[in-house]
Amino acid sequence: RKEVEQDPGPFNVPEGATVAFNCTYSNSASQSFFWYRQDCRKEPKLLMSVYSSGNEDGRFTAQLNRASQYISLLIRDSKLSDSATYLCVASGGDQGGKLIFGQGTELSVKP
Amino acid sequence: GAVVSQHPSWVICKSGTSVKIECRSLDFQATTMFWYRQFPKQSLMLMATSNEGSKATYEQGVEKDKFLINHASLTLSTLTVTSAHPEDSSFYICSASGTSDRSVYADTQYFGPGTRLTVL
Repeated sequence: RKEVEQDPGPFNVPEGATVAFNCTYSNSASQSFFWYRQDCRKEPKLLMSVYSSGNEDGRFTAQLNRASQYISLLIRDSKLSDSATYLCVASGGDQGGKLIFGQGTELSVKP
Repeated sequence: GAVVSQHPSWVICKSGTSVKIECRSLDFQATTMFWYRQFPKQSLMLMATSNEGSKATYEQGVEKDKFLINHASLTLSTLTVTSAHPEDSSFYICSASGTSDRSVYADTQYFGPGTRLTVL
């Protein structure tokens, strides 16, 4: 079983749609969680950290449920520029400073 | 701040040759550097972690004699793929982390732009 698992993609949505990505992690010792965005043939870029209390950054909302070992990312009013692959990442605990990446979910926003 | 560069950005080589990839932190001191590999349609897989001045720690399944990592200074780490074969063709990405200062947050990894290796 992969340490970090994500919804299989791709997600094809129209502009303005709301889209939700789900992610689960298997290592209960993980302490920090992130969503990264990766554009085609580019390096991943940090989108946002994820906190137990939930956090929001503009159109993006991230949630963490430690009991269920579940992380989510909600994108509201999606834009064409949101098209990318979204990577769920866990780190900390017995993993030390390592980032454990999920396989990514591809999002394609269409006009 | 917190810029990480990689060189080259892409390389094509013949099977059996060795390829060196450089990773530099341009405006901060990178106490730790990480090397990842990403195959098409797959996620980033950590290959090894290196701390300045010490030997790299390799992940399970990564051959240390094939993927030579040197982290000789606080701003430079190199990955050498020795005797490269077509199955080594991949996107190699480094990241760097350092102690907190005006440029960086501690324990945050800053990624380089990646190097695309194609072995013919």
